[in-house]
Amino acid sequence: EVQLVQSGAEVKKPGESLKISCKGSGYSFTNFWIGWVRQMPGKGLEWMGIIYPGDSDTRNSPSFQGQVTISADKSISTAYLQWSSLKASDTAMYYCARQNSGTSFDIWGQGTMVTVSS
Amino acid sequence: QSALTQPASVSGSPGQSITISCTGTSSDVGRYNYVSWYQQHPGIAPKLMIYEVTNRPSGVSNRFSGSKSGNTASLTISGLQAEDEADYYCTSYTSSSTRVFGGGTKLTVV
Repeated sequence: EVQLVQSGAEVKKPGESLKISCKGSGYSFTNFWIGWVRQMPGKGLEWMGIIYPGDSDTRNSPSFQGQVTISADKSISTAYLQWSSLKASDTAMYYCARQNSGTSFDIWGQGTMVTVSS
Repeated sequence: QSALTQPASVSGSPGQSITISCTGTSSDVGRYNYVSWYQQHPGIAPKLMIYEVTNRPSGVSNRFSGSKSGNTASLTISGLQAEDEADYYCTSYTSSSTRVFGGGTKLTVV
């Protein structure tokens, strides 16, 4: 079965760092782009960026450039989303998703809820 | 990079058809045939319903169809069913090699 499994919910304080993960299985992880999507509470989906695990080529949304880091470790079929200094406004559900050849996200992870509160 | 424009809400009765629009620019929707549509039920990850403007993934009902004219793409759902009640999002590839989502449309089946 093709699936993406994300790491569990996180509760952090402002200024702390965080790295959440997304592990792919059931397909060739290095051959498909993986994207990250933010959904703030009660709000819509926001495209954050994508990475090609085969060579770590990355595309970032201008809205998120410099705010987060997208990376991948192809040896363990895992993509990451990382913050160096969290803000309360980073509180959201974060989804990873596999991009198919047509630039659509055909497989989604279950989501990781990140809560940032003092 | 502005979000694509969708109506905040649409509604329809069971059995009816509805259409959700998604308006972008000549740098995204109007330039590329890489428009996708996603369905999201509360508390669940989005599900791909339409890709490359008109294509349905395996397993998606043929009651869902997509189209595009100029800078506006559309999702049509025919024969509305209660289970179709959800949020719907469009997305497009852009000239910056990124993607952008629409603001989302809440479909109510009344």
